[in-house]
Amino acid sequence: DAGVIQSPRHEVTEMGQEVTLRCKPISGHDYLFWYRQTMMRGLELLIYFNNNVPIDDSGMPEDRFSAKMPNASFSTLKIQPSEPRDSAVYFCASSSGPLSYNEQFFGPGTRLTVL
Amino acid sequence: GQQLNQSPQSMFIQEGEDVSMNCTSSSIFNTWLWYKQDPGEGPVLLIALYKAGELTSNGRLTAQFGITRKDSFLNISASIPSDVGIYFCAGINTGTASKLTFGTGTRLQVTL
Repeated sequence: DAGVIQSPRHEVTEMGQEVTLRCKPISGHDYLFWYRQTMMRGLELLIYFNNNVPIDDSGMPEDRFSAKMPNASFSTLKIQPSEPRDSAVYFCASSSGPLSYNEQFFGPGTRLTVL
Repeated sequence: GQQLNQSPQSMFIQEGEDVSMNCTSSSIFNTWLWYKQDPGEGPVLLIALYKAGELTSNGRLTAQFGITRKDSFLNISASIPSDVGIYFCAGINTGTASKLTFGTGTRLQVTL
């Protein structure tokens, strides 16, 4: 299995631009998670989906952030407009069931730099 | 958001030494997890703990779920260079079966 696939691996953009991060979960996994990692705040859950439906988006910082999962094999996290404080590593992860009983697998991350 | 407190924040040890790190919380968790993150990669699950008092091993790694459900520790025996990385604890509360709260991380450096 290829594991969780994220693209791009690195993104550098200017403040005000739209940024779209992409994720392909492991085939057959019903749960998909988006995390953000920074030095100041550590690893934070932004949103997670179950069967393509957003279940909890309480971690999404503000309206500039949006996430979609149009089908079981693809999800996007969009930031519009981007700001320098959005600079972070964004991880996508997936699991075959609730995390209390199932392992979560992380992708390699997208390192976002907003200038 | 809430974070679990991990200590120490960083460690420099020599190859062959044993390592111990812990994680504490003001909240009760029903599941404790320990992850390792290598540079440029996502975290990888090392050990999962599901019951208070549980002691679980995975090779040279041993982790325990605290009796109070508010803490956990991870031990690494006979460290080797590939143990270098950042170790994170994570907890899951009842009723939030798919939301992880992550610790602040312990950065481990191993010298030869």
